[in-house]
Amino acid sequence: EPEVTQTPSHQVTQMGQEVILRCVPISNHLYFYWYRQILGQKVEFLVSFYNNEISEKSEIFDDQFSVERPDGSNFTLKIRSTKLEDSAMYFCASSEDNEKLFFGSGTQLSVL
Amino acid sequence: GENVEQHPSTLSVQEGDSAVIKCTYSDSASNYFPWYKQELGKGPQLIIDIRSNVGEKKDQRIAVTLNKTAKHFSLHITETQPEDSAVYFCAASFRGGSQGNLIFGKGTKLSVKP
Repeated sequence: EPEVTQTPSHQVTQMGQEVILRCVPISNHLYFYWYRQILGQKVEFLVSFYNNEISEKSEIFDDQFSVERPDGSNFTLKIRSTKLEDSAMYFCASSEDNEKLFFGSGTQLSVL
Repeated sequence: GENVEQHPSTLSVQEGDSAVIKCTYSDSASNYFPWYKQELGKGPQLIIDIRSNVGEKKDQRIAVTLNKTAKHFSLHITETQPEDSAVYFCAASFRGGSQGNLIFGKGTKLSVKP
């Protein structure tokens, strides 16, 4: 069964460093998303991406965040200068119809 | 802001019993309501969804009901099995956003005891 894959599963970084979280969406899907879940809190929408551009973003997705689809198969989330409060589980998702979302297993980001 | 409340936060049932998880939403413009199951070490997996023009939907042992007037929706699992043990999330589409922009509940940890 096709699935969304995310790498790495765990990422530890120092505050102020840049991180790139990687995702390979399901191959025939056209819509891509990043969500995050801070420990003990809700899963929160960050950004959606369609036709090589951001279609929506939340208040969380500030100038420190960016997304890219560099090569037609990968979908990345970059955090330019990480803060302690960026520590969370980051989920990538993709969709064929912008309705039924398929999530990856997540990247646990720890900012020290 | 828009919000989804989910209850209970934990639920323990005996194998074979039914389990019910309830959610309320604040955004009257929400029109899509998925339910996700998350097992340990995995991402959320869509198990059933319902659109606002439908009051009930069933898929084998799983059903979802929606009351638009009261702005609440529920997940019903019948004849529970140990493999149903997981965290379940409800979600609602965000006002003015696409269906993929979802507001999640906080999750319900379901434990099914054999």
